[in-house]
Amino acid sequence: NAGVTQTPKFRVLKTGQSMTLLCAQDMNHEYMYWYRQDPGMGLRLIHYSVGEGTTAKGEVPDGYNVSRLKKQNFLLGLESAAPSQTSVYFCASSWEATGLRNYGYTFGSGTRLTVV
Amino acid sequence: AQSVTQLDSQVPVFEEAPVELRCNYSSSVSVYLFWYVQYPNQGLQLLLKYLSGSTLVKGINGFEAEFNKSQTSFHLRKPSVHISDTAEYFCAVSGRKLIFGQGTELSVKP
Repeated sequence: NAGVTQTPKFRVLKTGQSMTLLCAQDMNHEYMYWYRQDPGMGLRLIHYSVGEGTTAKGEVPDGYNVSRLKKQNFLLGLESAAPSQTSVYFCASSWEATGLRNYGYTFGSGTRLTVV
Repeated sequence: AQSVTQLDSQVPVFEEAPVELRCNYSSSVSVYLFWYVQYPNQGLQLLLKYLSGSTLVKGINGFEAEFNKSQTSFHLRKPSVHISDTAEYFCAVSGRKLIFGQGTELSVKP
């Protein structure tokens, strides 16, 4: 089925460790996004990309890096994990920013990350 | 800049009662508005969206929302809720990117 796939689904890290979350979409979407979800704070945009080779900061970019080397993949990196980065991470993609075309935004099923 | 405020963090309601989940937004550009639902331990599902035209938008599962430009609001309503509507609901606005509100937990009790 077409959609957005996130790997891994669960991960436990120790403080100071690094890791990369992978988001892959097979809908040829131009735009891709990384969000984090925390209780009482909704989903906050970390970084986003408006096309292959581009990235931009969202609302809460500190402590994260991203890369979009291929159109279908958007990687989120944590260089030195901190307990404050314990969260559920969602990736999304869309044809364009407004989300009007076709099915709008398509979300992955999430990655639950715990930093101890 | 765009922003979204959901005015209630939790809404408890009895089964078959009506419910309204409130959402206010601000934006310096034309906006498009969305409501998403997240059932426990699941991802996000689109309930409905406002693009243009009629200010009353109907979505899935019997939900509807009304866009009010003068009050910058996009409240979600359902005339009669069911236990299965228990979930978290997110209002979102898109212009240059999709920005979410803080979420409202709807708890439907028998």
